[in-house]
Formats: sequence, structure tokens, C-alpha cells
Amino acid sequence: DAKTTQPTSMDCAEGRAANLPCNHSTISGNEYVYWYRQIHSQGPQYIIHGLKNNETNEMASLIITEDRKSSTLILPHATLRDTAVYYCIVRSGTYKYIFGTGTRLKVLA
Amino acid sequence: GAVVSQHPSWVICKSGTSVKIECRSLDFQATTMFWYRQFPKQSLMLMATSNEGSKATYEQGVEKDKFLINHASLTLSTLTVTSAHPEDSSFYICSARTFPLAKDTQYFGPGTRLTVL
Repeated sequence: DAKTTQPTSMDCAEGRAANLPCNHSTISGNEYVYWYRQIHSQGPQYIIHGLKNNETNEMASLIITEDRKSSTLILPHATLRDTAVYYCIVRSGTYKYIFGTGTRLKVLA
Repeated sequence: GAVVSQHPSWVICKSGTSVKIECRSLDFQATTMFWYRQFPKQSLMLMATSNEGSKATYEQGVEKDKFLINHASLTLSTLTVTSAHPEDSSFYICSARTFPLAKDTQYFGPGTRLTVL
């Protein structure tokens, strides 16, 4: 299963874009990249996922590099409620999620 | 989006007793559900994969006789912690896979906090 590497923590000013990077250099050609976030003492919330094309939904955008070895989750206008731990996951062929340590994003007023 | 519920949201029990946690997919059928455990300030750790109508598959190091999983229907999976001890105190979270619906994704329940005295 591909391993992901994320920065431990990041700060972002309220109203600005939050760009959260993720490295997954050992990803295989058919493995998807998923992003979830977990607000304290809750279950993870699905944000977005992709294979190789960039994706956008109402919550965020996902930019995947051409070689697929890294990706960036973009929250276009961060709010205080976006403060959470963000997990980048590469889904294996067995459909299991292996969670890394994630990035603790703090949105500052 | 798809909704997954868990019951109870929290439970306190005495050492040596068994505790059952339910995970339900409310608006979709899930042939596959997953159980995770999360200790304070740590990430989620996958415990087992639960497939409807068959035996669960446990991750390495997870005692299958201690953590009994039953996936009797397409909307319900249960985790029973048998003979619970204080070291089993943790946040237990389930997820349900939406396959074969479009956008193959896992949706997570809100979690169950177990405290063993």
C-alpha cells in the first residue's frame, strides 16, 4: 500500500486559501488519492478524491501532479470551521484506507 | 452524501464485561464496512474489514476472539469487545463503502467512545 507524507501542522488566515500538500511517491497507477478531515472527537468527513485529473467540488479542489507522486488539497476560502486534521489517503487495491498522521490545520481569525 | 450512524455514541463499562457497538448505513447498502480504533492524539488504525455474509478480515495484531465482528445485513455491522479491559478504552469508528454505487468511497460514522473502568 502506498504511504503518504504530510506536514504535521499548518496555519492559515481566515478567508485565505489553504493549500495542503501530500506526497505519495510510491503510488501505483490504479490507486486513488482520497482526502478526509476529522474535527475533534468526530468521525472523518469525506472531502474529495481523484485518480489523475484535477477535481473540484463544493468543498475543495484536488490538484494531482502529472507523475501522480504528490497532490494538493485546496480550500479556497478557509473559515474557522475548517480547523481540523486533514488526512491524505491512497486507497489500496483491497479498498482499505491506511491513515497516516495527517496535517493539523488551524485557521486563524 | 451517504450517512452512517453508530450506537451508542459513548459507553462506560466495568472491566471484564462485553460491549456491542452498532454501525448502520442509513441511506445505502454496504457490502463492506470497516472498523477503526483511535487513541488520543493518534491517527485512525484499521482493525478489520467486515463483509456482509462472510467472516471479517482482521489486521495484523488485532485479536479476532476479542473483537467480534458480525455483518449480518447490508446495512448493519456490529463490533463486540469481549471481556473489555482498561487498555481497550478508545474511540471506535466504523465506515461503510458505497461500492457498487458511483463514486466508490467510504463514509464514516460519528464514532463510539468506550471507557472501561
